[in-house]
Amino acid sequence: GENVEQHPSTLSVQEGDSAVIKCTYSDSASNYFPWYKQELGKRPQLIIDIRSNVGEKKDQRIAVTLNKTAKHFSLHITETQPEDSAVYFCAASNAGNMLTFGGGTRLMVKP
Amino acid sequence: DAGITQSPRHKVTETGTPVTLRCHQTENHRYMYWYRQDPGHGLRLIHYSYGVKDTDKGEVSDGYSVSRSKTEDFLLTLESATSSQTSVYFCAISESPSYNEQFFGPGTRLTVL
Repeated sequence: GENVEQHPSTLSVQEGDSAVIKCTYSDSASNYFPWYKQELGKRPQLIIDIRSNVGEKKDQRIAVTLNKTAKHFSLHITETQPEDSAVYFCAASNAGNMLTFGGGTRLMVKP
Repeated sequence: DAGITQSPRHKVTETGTPVTLRCHQTENHRYMYWYRQDPGHGLRLIHYSYGVKDTDKGEVSDGYSVSRSKTEDFLLTLESATSSQTSVYFCAISESPSYNEQFFGPGTRLTVL
Protein backbone atom coordinates (compact mmCIF):
# COMPACT_ATOMS: atom_id res chain seq x y z
CA GLY A 1 0.00 0.00 0.00
CA GLU A 2 0.86 3.69 0.00
CA ASN A 3 3.42 5.05 2.48
CA VAL A 4 3.76 8.78 3.14
CA GLU A 5 6.73 10.21 5.01
CA GLN A 6 6.65 13.79 6.30
CA HIS A 7 9.52 15.99 7.50
CA PRO A 8 10.30 17.73 9.73
CA SER A 9 8.17 16.59 12.65
CA THR A 10 8.57 19.99 14.31
CA LEU A 11 9.44 23.35 12.80
CA SER A 12 10.00 26.65 14.57
CA VAL A 13 10.23 29.91 12.62
CA GLN A 14 10.18 33.60 13.36
CA GLU A 15 7.12 35.56 12.36
CA GLY A 16 7.54 36.78 8.79
CA ASP A 17 9.89 33.97 7.77
CA SER A 18 8.98 31.19 5.37
CA ALA A 19 8.23 27.59 6.35
CA VAL A 20 8.63 24.51 4.17
CA ILE A 21 7.27 21.04 4.93
CA LYS A 22 8.18 18.08 2.74
CA CYS A 23 6.49 14.77 2.03
CA THR A 24 7.44 11.72 0.02
CA TYR A 25 5.11 8.98 -1.17
CA SER A 26 5.72 5.46 -2.40
CA ASP A 27 2.89 4.65 -4.82
CA SER A 28 3.57 6.09 -8.28
CA ALA A 29 -0.15 5.73 -9.05
CA SER A 30 -1.05 8.38 -6.44
CA ASN A 31 -2.61 11.39 -8.11
CA TYR A 32 -4.20 13.55 -5.41
CA PHE A 33 -2.23 15.31 -2.66
CA PRO A 34 -4.08 17.38 -0.05
CA TRP A 35 -2.66 19.31 2.89
CA TYR A 36 -4.56 19.69 6.13
CA LYS A 37 -4.10 22.10 9.01
CA GLN A 38 -5.11 21.08 12.52
CA GLU A 39 -5.20 23.62 15.32
CA LEU A 40 -4.97 22.42 18.90
CA GLY A 41 -8.10 20.53 19.91
CA LYS A 42 -9.74 21.07 16.53
CA ARG A 43 -10.53 18.94 13.51
CA PRO A 44 -8.19 18.77 10.47
CA GLN A 45 -9.18 21.19 7.72
CA LEU A 46 -8.06 21.25 4.11
CA ILE A 47 -5.89 24.23 3.24
CA ILE A 48 -4.70 23.36 -0.26
CA ASP A 49 -4.50 20.37 -2.58
CA ILE A 50 -2.79 19.46 -5.83
CA ARG A 51 -3.42 16.87 -8.50
CA SER A 52 -0.80 14.96 -10.42
CA ASN A 53 -1.35 16.86 -13.66
CA VAL A 54 -0.20 20.10 -11.99
CA GLY A 55 3.31 20.93 -10.77
CA GLU A 56 2.51 23.87 -8.53
CA LYS A 57 -0.48 25.57 -6.98
CA LYS A 58 -0.66 28.77 -4.97
CA ASP A 59 -3.28 30.33 -2.72
CA GLN A 60 -2.20 33.63 -1.19
CA ARG A 61 0.63 32.84 1.24
CA ILE A 62 0.42 29.09 0.74
CA ALA A 63 1.83 27.09 -2.16
CA VAL A 64 2.30 23.41 -2.88
CA THR A 65 4.75 21.89 -5.35
CA LEU A 66 4.74 18.36 -6.73
CA ASN A 67 7.58 16.39 -8.28
CA LYS A 68 6.09 13.19 -9.66
CA THR A 69 9.42 11.83 -10.84
CA ALA A 70 10.93 12.04 -7.38
CA LYS A 71 7.60 11.24 -5.70
CA HIS A 72 7.67 14.16 -3.34
CA PHE A 73 5.57 17.22 -2.67
CA SER A 74 6.05 20.23 -0.44
CA LEU A 75 4.04 22.90 1.36
CA HIS A 76 5.42 26.42 1.40
CA ILE A 77 4.09 29.12 3.72
CA THR A 78 5.45 32.62 3.22
CA GLU A 79 5.30 35.57 5.61
CA THR A 80 4.33 33.33 8.49
CA GLN A 81 2.03 34.68 11.17
CA PRO A 82 1.33 33.43 14.71
CA GLU A 83 -2.05 32.07 13.55
CA ASP A 84 -0.19 29.71 11.20
CA SER A 85 0.95 27.80 14.30
CA ALA A 86 -0.68 24.36 14.05
CA VAL A 87 -0.02 20.78 13.01
CA TYR A 88 0.09 20.25 9.25
CA PHE A 89 -0.57 16.90 7.56
CA CYS A 90 0.14 15.87 4.01
CA ALA A 91 -1.71 12.99 2.38
CA ALA A 92 -1.77 11.02 -0.85
CA SER A 93 -4.48 9.13 -2.73
CA ASN A 94 -4.18 6.79 -5.69
CA ALA A 95 -7.70 7.19 -7.06
CA GLY A 96 -8.83 4.45 -4.76
CA ASN A 97 -10.95 5.03 -1.74
CA MET A 98 -8.31 5.95 0.79
CA LEU A 99 -6.11 8.85 1.81
CA THR A 100 -2.79 7.93 3.43
CA PHE A 101 -1.52 10.62 5.79
CA GLY A 102 1.96 11.63 6.80
CA GLY A 103 2.89 11.76 10.47
CA GLY A 104 2.37 15.52 10.77
CA THR A 105 4.53 18.61 11.31
CA ARG A 106 4.07 20.87 14.31
CA LEU A 107 4.75 24.42 13.11
CA MET A 108 5.46 27.07 15.72
CA VAL A 109 5.62 30.70 14.63
CA LYS A 110 7.35 32.89 17.20
CA PRO A 111 6.24 36.52 17.37
CA ASP B 1 -17.93 23.26 8.85
CA ALA B 2 -19.69 20.57 6.88
CA GLY B 3 -22.66 19.00 8.61
CA ILE B 4 -20.88 16.27 10.52
CA THR B 5 -21.40 15.43 14.15
CA GLN B 6 -19.85 12.77 16.33
CA SER B 7 -21.16 11.31 19.55
CA PRO B 8 -20.11 11.04 22.22
CA ARG B 9 -17.41 13.71 22.17
CA HIS B 10 -15.65 12.24 25.17
CA LYS B 11 -15.83 8.79 26.70
CA VAL B 12 -13.98 6.97 29.44
CA THR B 13 -14.49 3.23 29.61
CA GLU B 14 -12.89 0.15 31.06
CA THR B 15 -10.95 -2.60 29.35
CA GLY B 16 -13.19 -5.32 27.97
CA THR B 17 -16.34 -3.24 27.60
CA PRO B 18 -18.01 -2.66 24.23
CA VAL B 19 -18.02 0.88 22.85
CA THR B 20 -19.91 2.38 19.91
CA LEU B 21 -19.09 5.72 18.37
CA ARG B 22 -21.51 7.43 16.04
CA CYS B 23 -20.91 9.67 13.07
CA HIS B 24 -23.84 11.55 11.58
CA GLN B 25 -23.82 13.66 8.42
CA THR B 26 -26.38 15.93 6.80
CA GLU B 27 -24.48 16.38 3.50
CA ASN B 28 -25.69 13.19 1.79
CA HIS B 29 -22.09 12.30 0.89
CA ARG B 30 -21.54 8.77 -0.32
CA TYR B 31 -18.21 8.07 1.39
CA MET B 32 -17.61 7.98 5.12
CA TYR B 33 -14.43 7.17 7.00
CA TRP B 34 -13.23 6.44 10.52
CA TYR B 35 -9.70 7.46 11.50
CA ARG B 36 -7.77 7.30 14.72
CA GLN B 37 -5.20 9.93 15.63
CA ASP B 38 -2.26 9.17 17.89
CA PRO B 39 0.86 11.26 18.55
CA GLY B 40 3.51 10.62 15.90
CA HIS B 41 1.19 8.56 13.70
CA GLY B 42 -0.90 11.18 12.01
CA LEU B 43 -4.33 9.97 10.97
CA ARG B 44 -4.74 6.27 10.29
CA LEU B 45 -7.74 4.82 8.50
CA ILE B 46 -9.71 2.21 10.43
CA HIS B 47 -12.64 1.46 8.13
CA TYR B 48 -14.54 3.26 5.43
CA SER B 49 -17.88 3.03 3.67
CA TYR B 50 -18.73 3.67 0.04
CA GLY B 51 -22.47 3.30 0.43
CA VAL B 52 -25.21 1.87 2.61
CA LYS B 53 -24.11 -1.55 3.81
CA ASP B 54 -20.86 -1.24 1.80
CA THR B 55 -17.76 -1.09 3.97
CA ASP B 56 -14.11 -2.02 3.73
CA LYS B 57 -11.09 -2.25 6.00
CA GLY B 58 -8.41 0.36 6.36
CA GLU B 59 -4.88 0.28 7.67
CA VAL B 60 -5.67 -0.45 11.34
CA SER B 61 -8.96 -2.36 11.35
CA ASP B 62 -8.14 -5.10 13.89
CA GLY B 63 -10.41 -4.87 16.93
CA TYR B 64 -12.94 -2.60 15.20
CA SER B 65 -16.14 -3.18 13.26
CA VAL B 66 -18.42 -0.75 11.45
CA SER B 67 -21.95 -0.56 10.17
CA ARG B 68 -23.82 1.75 7.87
CA SER B 69 -27.55 1.13 7.64
CA LYS B 70 -28.41 4.67 6.49
CA THR B 71 -26.57 7.16 4.30
CA GLU B 72 -26.26 9.61 7.16
CA ASP B 73 -24.95 7.33 9.91
CA PHE B 74 -21.68 5.42 10.22
CA LEU B 75 -21.06 3.52 13.45
CA LEU B 76 -17.70 2.36 14.80
CA THR B 77 -17.76 -0.44 17.37
CA LEU B 78 -15.00 -1.64 19.64
CA GLU B 79 -16.31 -5.07 20.65
CA SER B 80 -14.00 -5.36 23.67
CA ALA B 81 -12.04 -2.17 24.28
CA THR B 82 -8.32 -2.35 25.08
CA SER B 83 -5.96 0.32 26.41
CA SER B 84 -4.24 0.43 23.01
CA GLN B 85 -7.49 1.80 21.58
CA THR B 86 -7.22 4.95 23.68
CA SER B 87 -7.11 7.62 21.00
CA VAL B 88 -8.93 10.47 19.30
CA TYR B 89 -11.33 9.18 16.67
CA PHE B 90 -12.32 11.28 13.69
CA CYS B 91 -15.07 10.63 11.21
CA ALA B 92 -14.78 12.10 7.71
CA ILE B 93 -17.03 12.34 4.68
CA SER B 94 -16.42 12.84 0.98
CA GLU B 95 -18.42 12.96 -2.22
CA SER B 96 -15.59 11.35 -4.18
CA PRO B 97 -12.50 10.02 -2.43
CA SER B 98 -9.93 10.93 -5.01
CA TYR B 99 -10.87 14.37 -6.20
CA ASN B 100 -12.88 15.94 -3.44
CA GLU B 101 -12.06 17.17 -0.03
CA GLN B 102 -12.59 14.98 2.98
CA PHE B 103 -14.49 16.90 5.66
CA PHE B 104 -13.75 15.89 9.21
CA GLY B 105 -16.04 15.72 12.19
CA PRO B 106 -15.13 17.28 15.58
CA GLY B 107 -13.61 14.09 16.95
CA THR B 108 -14.25 11.77 19.90
CA ARG B 109 -11.68 11.40 22.65
CA LEU B 110 -11.82 7.83 23.96
CA THR B 111 -9.93 6.70 27.04
CA VAL B 112 -9.81 3.00 27.90
CA LEU B 113 -8.67 2.35 31.45
